[in-house]
Amino acid sequence: RKEVEQDPGPFNVPEGATVAFNCTYSNSASQSFFWYRQDCRKEPKLLMSVYSSGNEDGRFTAQLNRASQYISLLIRDSKLSDSATYLCVVNGEDTGRRALTFGSGTRLQVQP
Amino acid sequence: EPEVTQTPSHQVTQMGQEVILRCVPISNHLYFYWYRQILGQKVEFLVSFYNNEISEKSEIFDDQFSVERPDGSNFTLKIRSTKLEDSAMYFCASSQQGSNTEAFFGQGTRLTVV
Repeated sequence: RKEVEQDPGPFNVPEGATVAFNCTYSNSASQSFFWYRQDCRKEPKLLMSVYSSGNEDGRFTAQLNRASQYISLLIRDSKLSDSATYLCVVNGEDTGRRALTFGSGTRLQVQP
Repeated sequence: EPEVTQTPSHQVTQMGQEVILRCVPISNHLYFYWYRQILGQKVEFLVSFYNNEISEKSEIFDDQFSVERPDGSNFTLKIRSTKLEDSAMYFCASSQQGSNTEAFFGQGTRLTVV
């Protein structure tokens, strides 16, 4: 089983749409969770951390379900500038693996 | 806004040659990392560095690889004898308090081995 699994997409949505991405992780001892955004041939950039209670940042909402080992990202009112690959990122601290583990990413294309 | 800087942005090298990729982490960060991303694939962890020593490394980080913090600001990745399959984007990252806090990435060095 992959450590962090994501639907690769692409998700093609019109401007203004709401889109949701899901991610599952295999290490039940993982403690920290993030969504990063990566534009083509650029570095990953932190979009938001994901907290157990769920958190929101403007149009973006992240949720964590530890029991199901599942993370989600919701983007409301999509903009053209949201077009990118969204990376689900987990740390495996308790297994001794302290480094971040990246999913393969979900590609989003917002169309005019 | 503080940022991680990497040089060069693109490096072309012949197979078997040594390359050194350079990074300047954010100044008050204590943890440093190298990741790589082969074109079309996911970001993969190579090595983490804390308190002037390697704290963790992946199976990719074999004897061909080494890291160094030669002074108070630079953090380097050396590949001793490059192979074709080392061609990738190499990202340096730093974080303030380890992997339970967000890591900030440099813009990457695209390494092409010919």
